[in-house]
Amino acid sequence: DAKTTQPTSMDCAEGRAANLPCNHSTISGNEYVYWYRQIHSQGPQYIIHGLKNNETNEMASLIITEDRKSSTLILPHATLRDTAVYYCIVTSSGGYQKVTFGIGTKLQVIP
Amino acid sequence: GAVVSQHPSWVICKSGTSVKIECRSLDFQATTMFWYRQFPKQSLMLMATSNEGSKATYEQGVEKDKFLINHASLTLSTLTVTSAHPEDSSFYICSAKRDVTSEQYFGPGTRLTVT
Repeated sequence: DAKTTQPTSMDCAEGRAANLPCNHSTISGNEYVYWYRQIHSQGPQYIIHGLKNNETNEMASLIITEDRKSSTLILPHATLRDTAVYYCIVTSSGGYQKVTFGIGTKLQVIP
Repeated sequence: GAVVSQHPSWVICKSGTSVKIECRSLDFQATTMFWYRQFPKQSLMLMATSNEGSKATYEQGVEKDKFLINHASLTLSTLTVTSAHPEDSSFYICSAKRDVTSEQYFGPGTRLTVT
């Protein structure tokens, strides 16, 4: 699986959009970008994933650059409950699709 | 949908004893389940991958005789920590996939403390 690079931490004001970047310059053609988050002392929660097109669901939007070497997770209106560690993961579909977690980005939403 | 549960949510055991942790997919059948371990202030580390009815595949450095994984049905996988020691104290998390193309759904985790 391709390696990802994320900032260690970010702050965001409550009610504002949180934009979390991720670099995955070695991503290959069949690899997807997945985002999970982990609120303190809980299991990770799936947020969104995409291959090359931008994606949106009820939780977030995922913007993938045209060359697919980076992506941005957008939480449109951050709330205090969005404070968590956000993991950007690149993995191929099919097979075991085991997921390797990096350090992630610690997002602190500030009142 | 896609709920994964773990039992117990926390357990304290004495050194040398064994502890079993259950992972269940409540509303779907899981073709594959994963077990992770997370130490304080660290990221999740994959321990093993298991498919129903077959032996688990362990990651390098994980002792298969110490961490016994049984995936007896499409909705249940168990992790048994045998002869537990204080250094095994950790947060154990399982996840399950509905099929080979689906995302992973994670359980809430089990906090193990070995005294």
